[in-house]
Amino acid sequence: AQTVTQSQPEMSVQEAETVTLSCTYDTSESNYYLFWYKQPPSRQMILVIRQEAYKQQNATENRFSVNFQKAAKSFSLKISDSQLGDTAMYFCAFMKPTGNQFYFGTGTSLTVIP
Amino acid sequence: EPEVTQTPSHQVTQMGQEVILRCVPISNHLYFYWYRQILGQKVEFLVSFYNNEISEKSEIFDDQFSVERPDGSNFTLKIRSTKLEDSAMYFCASTLTGGYTEAFFGQGTRLTVV
Repeated sequence: AQTVTQSQPEMSVQEAETVTLSCTYDTSESNYYLFWYKQPPSRQMILVIRQEAYKQQNATENRFSVNFQKAAKSFSLKISDSQLGDTAMYFCAFMKPTGNQFYFGTGTSLTVIP
Repeated sequence: EPEVTQTPSHQVTQMGQEVILRCVPISNHLYFYWYRQILGQKVEFLVSFYNNEISEKSEIFDDQFSVERPDGSNFTLKIRSTKLEDSAMYFCASTLTGGYTEAFFGQGTRLTVV
């Protein structure tokens, strides 16, 4: 079975600062996909960034980057130059290479403080 | 920008009643999903649907649940006889293809069973 753990229920960061959200997962699969989704208050979940496990290079999308440590089964999200619009619930998710379902963590509520 | 829409945003129903949650996926998407999140818990996969049939379902998705794409645009989740423990936020999602692809989520329907 696949499990995803986000150990930080809530975090806050000052505007323009950098914050890292943690995610660990457990799986016996050798290849898989990892995602970070963001859910702003009263809005839809939207994709922030994704990573294929067989790619060693960490994914980057503008101010968002990941630190993917396959051996440690860790997939943290770094947000640089935090903006007020980054305030949201962030979900880490795992997907097996076969099948379409996400396995989500419990989420981290991030507040960016002006 | 295309988005997944869900109606209603909040539904209150009496225990034992049937409820239908509605979703309009993105028009050219081929795969459709339902997830749910009980308050304070993880977002959990319920079912995926492709080519007019269920492609995967979780153990949560028992005989009281059913899904349908009645008219080529709506995607519905029916709960036949609601229980108190069905109270949750239900999210619909759609993807253009299966597997490693961006999922687009709706805002969710909060179902409260009383």
